Amino acid sequence: DIRMTQSPSSLSASVGDRVTITCQASQDITDRLNWYQVKPGKPPQLLIYDASILHSGVPSRFSGRGSGTDFSLTINNLQPEDLATYFCQQFHNLPPFTFGPGTKVEI
Amino acid sequence: QVHLVDSGGGLVQPGRSLRLSCAASGFTFNIYGMHWVRQAPGQGLEWLAVVSYDGSTTYYLDSVKGRFTISRDNSKNMVYLQMNYVRVEDTAIYYCAKGSASWKVIDYWGQGTLVTVSS
Repeated sequence: DIRMTQSPSSLSASVGDRVTITCQASQDITDRLNWYQVKPGKPPQLLIYDASILHSGVPSRFSGRGSGTDFSLTINNLQPEDLATYFCQQFHNLPPFTFGPGTKVEI
Repeated sequence: QVHLVDSGGGLVQPGRSLRLSCAASGFTFNIYGMHWVRQAPGQGLEWLAVVSYDGSTTYYLDSVKGRFTISRDNSKNMVYLQMNYVRVEDTAIYYCAKGSASWKVIDYWGQGTLVTVSS
């Protein structure tokens, strides 16, 4: 199975900051990567798919990039409502579609 | 809009069975794959299973293969997760989730249902 790692595991930032989270796959997954946001007590929400495509309704301050094994999620102009844990997920070839361990963003 | 309502969770003893249900609405159910994902207390997300749009194809995480069965009823817009021989480590919030046009991408999630396995 493909293993996903994320860094950092947590971070603290201020409103207006630019935050970058990285995700690494154990093998080449081309651009088959999603990013999800999980707010406390809420179900996950899709932010980005295919590594860099913003899901409908997601604010443009979120962006994703990368291919192969190395990916990143950037949040520009961090807002209080961005307090959440962020997970990457690979969907290369056949299941299982493994998630990264998550990055908790505190504000 | 897409609406997924998970139900069926609760307290269950180790070794017993439980069936989770997911009622879908707001989209053309019978053309999308459906997934189950769980999140144990204080832990990350764990993908469990997916069923194709017509129910003919399923895939599972190895650790639940043979114990859990995903299925769907397109006449009722329902997805199910039959959980047999549950273990303490199956304690988690279970989410039903919709696949996108690319069945591998989960684009919408239910609110989750809590399963607690304990004697």
